[in-house]
Amino acid sequence: SQKIEQNSEALNIQEGKTATLTCNYTNYSPAYLQWYRQDPGRGPVFLLLIRENEKEKRKERLKVTFDTTLKQSLFHITASQPADSATYLCALAGGGSQGNLIFGKGTKLSVKP
Amino acid sequence: GAVVSQHPSRVICKSGTSVKIECRSLDFQATTMFWYRQFPKQSLMLMATSNEGSKATYEQGVEKDKFLINHASLTLSTLTVTSAHPEDSSFYICSALPWGLYNSPLHFGNGTRLTVT
Repeated sequence: SQKIEQNSEALNIQEGKTATLTCNYTNYSPAYLQWYRQDPGRGPVFLLLIRENEKEKRKERLKVTFDTTLKQSLFHITASQPADSATYLCALAGGGSQGNLIFGKGTKLSVKP
Repeated sequence: GAVVSQHPSRVICKSGTSVKIECRSLDFQATTMFWYRQFPKQSLMLMATSNEGSKATYEQGVEKDKFLINHASLTLSTLTVTSAHPEDSSFYICSALPWGLYNSPLHFGNGTRLTVT
């Protein structure tokens, strides 16, 4: 069955450093992959979408890579700030209805001042 | 734009009662809405897909008679947890897919924290 793994449950880094989060998947060939941010007690907020034919996507301090050979996506936050502290979820299309997503468990990022 | 409003944000109810949660797309139409459940430190688990004007599609293991979904208009879907029990206590989140924008990102509500005592 399809499986998504975000291999770090938590990541602690110092302000100003680059945070790198990993998302691996198996038994799957997604057409695209999405990253969301979730704050405690809130719904996820969309950050970036990267398609299978795209190697890299950037948005301000965010960068996502997508390696379909390794079945892996990396999510980078450069010049991290305490306000970046949140849980970051990767998601793949789950098939069936359009928009049906399968989510990883997320990585909780803590940026210390 | 693309705001999804979910109400209530928090609800406490007694065991055996029913609770209704509303999910509204405020500035766009959504023929498809999704209902998720999230337990602490776990990922969002899809419960059902709600399609306007038709019956919802439930994921395996989700009781359709317990979790009633109604998607009566292009901007409103409701989830009713019937005869709630303490094990139904969880964080319920809805999301909406803008009409006509297939494979676009989902827009999520802010969730409903249900506590059944």
